[in-house]
Amino acid sequence: GNSVTQMEGPVTLSEEAFLTINCTYTATGYPSLFWYVQYPGEGLQLLLKATKADDKGSNKGFEATYRKETTSFHLEKGSVQVSDSAVYFCALRRNSGNTPLVFGKGTRLSVIA
Amino acid sequence: ETGVTQTPRHLVMGMTNKKSLKCEQHLGHNAMYWYKQSAKKPLELMFVYNFKEQTENNSVPSRFSPECPNSSHLFLHLHTLQPEDSALYLCASSTLGAQSDEGSSYNEQFFGPGTRLTVL
Repeated sequence: GNSVTQMEGPVTLSEEAFLTINCTYTATGYPSLFWYVQYPGEGLQLLLKATKADDKGSNKGFEATYRKETTSFHLEKGSVQVSDSAVYFCALRRNSGNTPLVFGKGTRLSVIA
Repeated sequence: ETGVTQTPRHLVMGMTNKKSLKCEQHLGHNAMYWYKQSAKKPLELMFVYNFKEQTENNSVPSRFSPECPNSSHLFLHLHTLQPEDSALYLCASSTLGAQSDEGSSYNEQFFGPGTRLTVL
């Protein structure tokens, strides 16, 4: 079946540190891949996405590259800010059929000044 | 403003109570979803509605009863819940993509802020 595995949190970083949150997936065929972010007290928001192998999604300084050979979609940011503190969810969706998003467990990021 | 609103934002109920959660989307979408978010567990999809028709029910106990009267509104009726049902309940909506032999594909989902439910 389809599944997503994320690194366990919480992750605590100092401001301006480099961020990596690992995500690997298992899926039939070639899914679309997503990162969602959930700020405190809010619902999930789409952060970035990639729909085919070698695509790079980017937004707000975050990047993730769709790696078919390693079935990975790791999230990176070169310099985090306190305002990036949130829970980050990796997700996949099959590109056909009626299966909605499959989410990972989420990784909590805390950035301290 | 995500375009998806949920009420109430917080709810505390006893195990014998009956309550309802409401979700409304102002985005012109035709698919709506209920998710359950519990601590240290993946986001769990509960129900999916396409054009007001339920297309998925992921083995959700009957004490949760969804209702979708139109494509803009989605309810989750709750009765005789258990303490382990305490969680954040998230609503989402999306457009439907292309049809294939396997069914419709789902586009980007927009989430509401959730209802924090506590069952005593």
